[in-house]
Amino acid sequence: GENVEQHPSTLSVQEGDSAVIKCTYSDSASNYFPWYKQELGKRPQLIIDIRSNVGEKKDQRIAVTLNKTAKHFSLHITETQPEDSAVYFCAATSNQAGTALIFGKGTTLSVSS
Amino acid sequence: EPEVTQTPSHQVTQMGQEVILRCVPISNHLYFYWYRQILGQKVEFLVSFYNNEISEKSEIFDDQFSVERPDGSNFTLKIRSTKLEDSAMYFCASKRGEVTGEQYFGPGTRLTVT
Repeated sequence: GENVEQHPSTLSVQEGDSAVIKCTYSDSASNYFPWYKQELGKRPQLIIDIRSNVGEKKDQRIAVTLNKTAKHFSLHITETQPEDSAVYFCAATSNQAGTALIFGKGTTLSVSS
Repeated sequence: EPEVTQTPSHQVTQMGQEVILRCVPISNHLYFYWYRQILGQKVEFLVSFYNNEISEKSEIFDDQFSVERPDGSNFTLKIRSTKLEDSAMYFCASKRGEVTGEQYFGPGTRLTVT
């Protein structure tokens, strides 16, 4: 089945810096890659997603890139703000293996002002 | 904006007891899910439900677990005989009809088994 690896586990940046979180997946059939942000004690919330027919997607300060050949995808946050501090999870799924999201272990992002 | 809701927010139970966690998915969604998250760890898939039957389940979802959609709005997860290691946050999620797409998560039920 699918396995998703995520790095780094923790990331500390200064306000205004960029942050990059990387994930790799194992199942070449995976075709949907969402990123969720989870604040302490709250539900995971989708911040951006990408499908396998696209190499990059951007939404204001957040972008995701996908390299299908290498089976990795990355989250880029520019001009970080303290409110970006949270745990970020990548996930993968395919409509061949089913619709379950397989999550990475999460990255705790701390943005200091 | 419609949201997935879950009750209770926190459930404390003794080992060996049965618990039922309840979820109300978004009304026009067709796919329903249960995930769990042990404190400080990643979100883990338990089971998905579509067209009134389980469509897939993980290794975690053993015979102690069951799901049901007893009416047109509720989606429940039952754990028959709870173990200490079942202590976790349980999230329900739902998704519209497309095969892949955004899953909307509920606020979770924190289950504590003592």
